[in-house]
Amino acid sequence: AQSVTQLGSHVSVSEGALVLLRCNYSSSVPPYLFWYVQYPNQGLQLLLKYTSAATLVKGINGFEAEFKKSETSFHLTKPSAHMSDAAEYFCAVSDLGQAGTALIFGKGTTLSVSS
Amino acid sequence: ETGVTQTPRHLVMGMTNKKSLKCEQHLGHNAMYWYKQSAKKPLELMFVYNFKEQTENNSVPSRFSPECPNSSHLFLHLHTLQPEDSALYLCASSQDNAVGGYTFGSGTRLTVV
Repeated sequence: AQSVTQLGSHVSVSEGALVLLRCNYSSSVPPYLFWYVQYPNQGLQLLLKYTSAATLVKGINGFEAEFKKSETSFHLTKPSAHMSDAAEYFCAVSDLGQAGTALIFGKGTTLSVSS
Repeated sequence: ETGVTQTPRHLVMGMTNKKSLKCEQHLGHNAMYWYKQSAKKPLELMFVYNFKEQTENNSVPSRFSPECPNSSHLFLHLHTLQPEDSALYLCASSQDNAVGGYTFGSGTRLTVV
């Protein structure tokens, strides 16, 4: 069975500092991997996705993630945090090409940004 | 209108009431999903519909009843709910192979009193 583990339920950084949110996955087949962001009282918004093309994936709002098969990781980074980045972030995994495939989400990491 | 639209945004209902949540997408997607998001809990998949057919029911109590009349609309009918059912209910849609990920609605904040 597929699963994702997000290390750290809460990450705090200063404005301008590096953001690193960790995600490790478990999958018996090459996975599709996703990062989503959720602002308060809103739905989830897709930040970026890995679908077996380039291992370094660039997303919206300056975020990027690197797929490392040897480490089964897909960590999310941003070189310089902004106050508006404060939100909850979810990593998700799915099987390749399965009809009506359900994404499996991690428990989420809350990012706080201080001035 | 584009994207995934959920109505109502907020709902307060008594335990004996019957209400319905609505989800609509204009993205041409074939699959639609209901998720439950409770405080301090992971996102819980409830139901999956692919081409209007239910393909997954994740052990959801019968007081939640989904309906998918066509690929663009998804409903969640609620009756005799419990206070622990209070949560944010999120609808999402995707192409049938989910390669592009999901598009989520803004959710319905449900409070059961």
